[in-house]
Amino acid sequence: DIQMTQSPSSLSASVGDRVTITCRASQNVNNYFNWYQQKPGKAPKLLIYAASTLQSGVPSRFSGSGSVTDFTLTISSLQPEDFATYYCQQSYSTPFTFGQGTNLKIK
Amino acid sequence: QLQLQESGPGLVKPSETLSLTCTVPGGSISSSGYYWDWIRQPPGKGLEWIGTVYYGGGTSYNPSLKSRVTISVDTSKNQFSLKLSSVTAADTAVYYCARHPNPYSSSWIWSGTHFDSWGQGSLVTVSS
Repeated sequence: DIQMTQSPSSLSASVGDRVTITCRASQNVNNYFNWYQQKPGKAPKLLIYAASTLQSGVPSRFSGSGSVTDFTLTISSLQPEDFATYYCQQSYSTPFTFGQGTNLKIK
Repeated sequence: QLQLQESGPGLVKPSETLSLTCTVPGGSISSSGYYWDWIRQPPGKGLEWIGTVYYGGGTSYNPSLKSRVTISVDTSKNQFSLKLSSVTAADTAVYYCARHPNPYSSSWIWSGTHFDSWGQGSLVTVSS
């Protein structure tokens, strides 16, 4: 299985901050890589797919970059509704695997 | 995006079989453009992909659960189902059904995919 390691596991930030979350795959996943946002009691929501493509309806303050094994999710200016847990996921091969999550909290 | 809907018992006894169904609105389960998945999340923990089914019946399972999992599809009812046998407390989780676009290009080359639609989740507790 491909292991996905996110950092940090937890992050405190303020509204308006620029935030970066990283994810490393244990092997090359090309750009078959996605980011999700999950709020308490809700299903995950797709933010970014194919490493850098913004899902329809997702605000442009979210962006993704990276390839091969190292990927980044950036939120350019945090809004109150962005405080949530973020997961990365690879689709290079089955079993599809997720990172352990990054809990983005209000400072 | 599609709003999927899970249904099934919220409480299952140890050693028994967990059964859940996901209803897909609009008959789109028969589309060749998508695969249908089960994903679970133990309380306070991360996400684990359980497996997937195609409308034609083909399946792929997570090796960690493969010996206990069956995912099937019923196109006449626009539903797909999960059965997980011999459950223990470690199987207590919120179970999500989801969808991913066909990862094969027109040339049958793997081109990656993503989970673009999810159900709201169904909490299943394993307890006597």
